[in-house]
Amino acid sequence: DQQVKQNSPSLSVQEGRISILNCDYTNSMFDYFLWYKKYPAEGPTFLISISSIKDKNEDGRFTVFLNKSAKHLSLHIVPSQPGDSAVYFCAARERGNFGNEKLTFGTGTRLTIIP
Amino acid sequence: EAQVTQNPRYLITVTGKKLTVTCSQNMNHEYMSWYRQDPGLGLRQIYYSMNVEVTDKGDVPEGYKVSRKEKRNFPLILESPSPNQTSLYFCASSLGRGQGNSPLHFGNGTRLTVT
Repeated sequence: DQQVKQNSPSLSVQEGRISILNCDYTNSMFDYFLWYKKYPAEGPTFLISISSIKDKNEDGRFTVFLNKSAKHLSLHIVPSQPGDSAVYFCAARERGNFGNEKLTFGTGTRLTIIP
Repeated sequence: EAQVTQNPRYLITVTGKKLTVTCSQNMNHEYMSWYRQDPGLGLRQIYYSMNVEVTDKGDVPEGYKVSRKEKRNFPLILESPSPNQTSLYFCASSLGRGQGNSPLHFGNGTRLTVT
């Protein structure tokens, strides 16, 4: 039962254009959402997050949007740069959970920025 | 530099030979956790620890042990490894739930092959 789904395994975008990565979730108990970026042979690196009480969070070129009614999350990168080429994971944390900071991850989207 | 350090990065072993993967963080984080990453499954939590001497099972704990004798260290122990434990393992840490929303910080991973 995949509670966090990234339905696009890969995405290619021209340099300078907007990259939009999507994520859907099924568990209404999730209260905190994160995006991680992963390069080969490295661990996931935290990129940006959003609490369930918000619908948008920006950090430089990165913006995360949360649509709770649709249980949908998206990451916008603008403008896209070659260094953004990586695998992006969507993750979510469940409210309460007895102090466990467990993140439930999607299966990732490989983003390729074309120069 | 703030980081989570795992060792070794790569490990090939045989079925039944006990092994330990070490994890250390220098950020004074209370919470630590182990994940495994497998193709098509994303990252799944193995064990977690909310503080020293407090550990608990995650989603896929079978065949693994952990200990948390010191705040900075959280080793993963495979008493009798089997081929289905061949995977990419990540250690992670964060401030903990009492500190508000804080992202997990990941190590660079340990690729384990059990033959």
